Amino acid sequence: AQSVTQPDARVTVSEGASLQLRCKYSYFGTPYLFWYVQYPRQGLQLLLKYYPGDPVVQGVNGFEAEFSKSNSSFHLRKASVHWSDWAVYFCAVSMDTGGLSGKLTFGEGTQVTVIS
Amino acid sequence: EAAVTQSPRSKVAVTGGKVTLSCHQTNNHDYMYWYRQDTGHGLRLIHYSYVADSTEKGDIPDGYKASRPSQENFSLILELASLSQTAVYFCASSDAGTVNTEVFFGKGTRLTVV
Repeated sequence: AQSVTQPDARVTVSEGASLQLRCKYSYFGTPYLFWYVQYPRQGLQLLLKYYPGDPVVQGVNGFEAEFSKSNSSFHLRKASVHWSDWAVYFCAVSMDTGGLSGKLTFGEGTQVTVIS
Repeated sequence: EAAVTQSPRSKVAVTGGKVTLSCHQTNNHDYMYWYRQDTGHGLRLIHYSYVADSTEKGDIPDGYKASRPSQENFSLILELASLSQTAVYFCASSDAGTVNTEVFFGKGTRLTVV
């Protein structure tokens, strides 16, 4: 069965500094991967999604992620963090081949705290 | 903007009581889902539906029933609520059979069982 692991439960970063959030997946076949963000008391919002092709994916608000098949990873990064990036970030993999539905397996999430 | 609306947003239920969580989407999506989020954990799939009047079990269906009376509405039912079902519940919807489809989530329902 597929699984997603986010090894960092919490990350603290200074405003303006760079950010990297780690995601490791386990999936037999070609994974369709996602990063979602959850702001306080809100639902999840899609940051970016990966499907087979360019390993670097651009998302909203300056986020990008890099897929590595050899490392089974899909790490998220941002060059310069803003205070509004204070949120919980989830990595997810589609349960369906081709990502044809919203049946997702989520990681545990990483809480990002931004300090001035 | 795709919209998924959940009601209520917050609820306190008594152990052994019946709880119904409602979800309404205006996205014209065929697929709908119920996820559960526990503190410090990711979301886990409870039930989902591909079409009205049909539901499927997800990864953690025990203790939950689902109902899809129309394309727009999808309910999650706890017949006998238990303390272990205290969590935040998210409803979501997505297109049918679209490669790498995007999922749209509601804002969640915080359920506390006492």
